[in-house]
Amino acid sequence: DTEVTQTPKHLVMGMTNKKSLKCEQHMGHRAMYWYKQKAKKPPELMFVYSYEKLSINESVPSRFSPECPNSSLLNLHLHALQPEDSALYLCASRGSGQGQETQYFGPGTRLLVL
Amino acid sequence: GENVEQHPSTLSVQEGDSAVIKCTYSDSASNYFPWYKQELGKRPQLIIDIRSNVGEKKDQRIAVTLNKTAKHFSLHITETQPEDSAVYFCAASTGGGNKLTFGTGTQLKVEL
Repeated sequence: DTEVTQTPKHLVMGMTNKKSLKCEQHMGHRAMYWYKQKAKKPPELMFVYSYEKLSINESVPSRFSPECPNSSLLNLHLHALQPEDSALYLCASRGSGQGQETQYFGPGTRLLVL
Repeated sequence: GENVEQHPSTLSVQEGDSAVIKCTYSDSASNYFPWYKQELGKRPQLIIDIRSNVGEKKDQRIAVTLNKTAKHFSLHITETQPEDSAVYFCAASTGGGNKLTFGTGTQLKVEL
């Protein structure tokens, strides 16, 4: 299995809702990432987990809360979002060790905040 | 931190022509340079990458060149086809791919 999967594909939520995005990979990768991507812009790094521990937080607002329950799963919990948070949320994973630099992206969750 | 500039922002070519996209980076410690292709509504997909110990890499119609002295790298696509139409992002990493800094993207359009 060489894929990163994400659910849901689309999500519409109000500013008072709580929702979660899910990401899964079965490639044995030990680094997992959350990115935010606005239209016509590059992916913008939010969080990095390495060996299930948060290693990078790019000063993301606390209304975004990541979680890595195990080496295959990555969640992003959303609460009290703003309309400007509407974007494509991409998950990625990467192997560790020499020659395993490639980040593999999931298909993304398209989020609309009303 | 690392800064990656990418040019041009849009590129229109005729089918069969070549396309070249250029990126420059700021951190001389960068050692890994991937290129991603993103079709409309799809995920970014790696098309080719190069490490700092190599000057050029080729994969069929796609090639990447790296000039470490000048801190720039380029993507070359030959014999372009309509299915090459997409947004292309370059990226650079100092940590062997752990943290990527992306360029701003190039919208490539291949016209019949």
